[in-house]
Amino acid sequence: EAGVVQSPRYKIIEKKQPVAFWCNPISGHNTLYWYRQNLGQGPELLIRYENEEAVDDSQLPKDRFSAERLKGVDSTLKIQPAELGDSAVYLCASSFPSGAITDTQYFGPGTRLTVL
Amino acid sequence: QKEVEQNSGPLSVPEGAIASLNCTYSDRGSQSFFWYRQYSGKSPELIMSIYSNGDKEDGRFTAQLNKASQYVSLLIRDSQPSDSATYLCAVNRPKVRGYNKLIFGAGTRLAVHP
Repeated sequence: EAGVVQSPRYKIIEKKQPVAFWCNPISGHNTLYWYRQNLGQGPELLIRYENEEAVDDSQLPKDRFSAERLKGVDSTLKIQPAELGDSAVYLCASSFPSGAITDTQYFGPGTRLTVL
Repeated sequence: QKEVEQNSGPLSVPEGAIASLNCTYSDRGSQSFFWYRQYSGKSPELIMSIYSNGDKEDGRFTAQLNKASQYVSLLIRDSQPSDSATYLCAVNRPKVRGYNKLIFGAGTRLAVHP
């Protein structure tokens, strides 16, 4: 079974440019998460989707970040305009939505973003 | 105080020894706990989960949970150089607005030397 797929794996852009990341979750996983991981830190949740609905976007910097999950499968995270501080690894994860405490999140390979 | 705290390391152990990784958490209502392994430049990979007080063993890995002390640990027996990685402790914060939220520590870097 295929895992979580993300693209691109690496992206280098200049500040003020836009950038977008794409994620395809594990088949059957209706819950999708976007995390940001800064160097030397653990992942921090940006947004969580249950199907098409964003149920937790409290940590998403909405002035420059946006996300969508049309049709409840693939998702796109966008930054416009990018700032130097946005350099990080952006991880997508998915889980089977039982709502139990045992729900396990599986991570994709991530996109390493460098903003110059 | 961070919600999930880990010693950043590096924790250096010789090959064949037991590596002990520790994690404390602040929210007493937390109910599920996970250990992820992350190799340099790679994404987190789940290696253990634990929900009840006590020990849970899986091969060379043992997770230990003490909810009264708000403490969770991971023991790696017979450590191998291939175990060298960063180990992330993750705690499921009790439901807010109907959903659990996974909070990660900053990770402990483990180095196993031959």
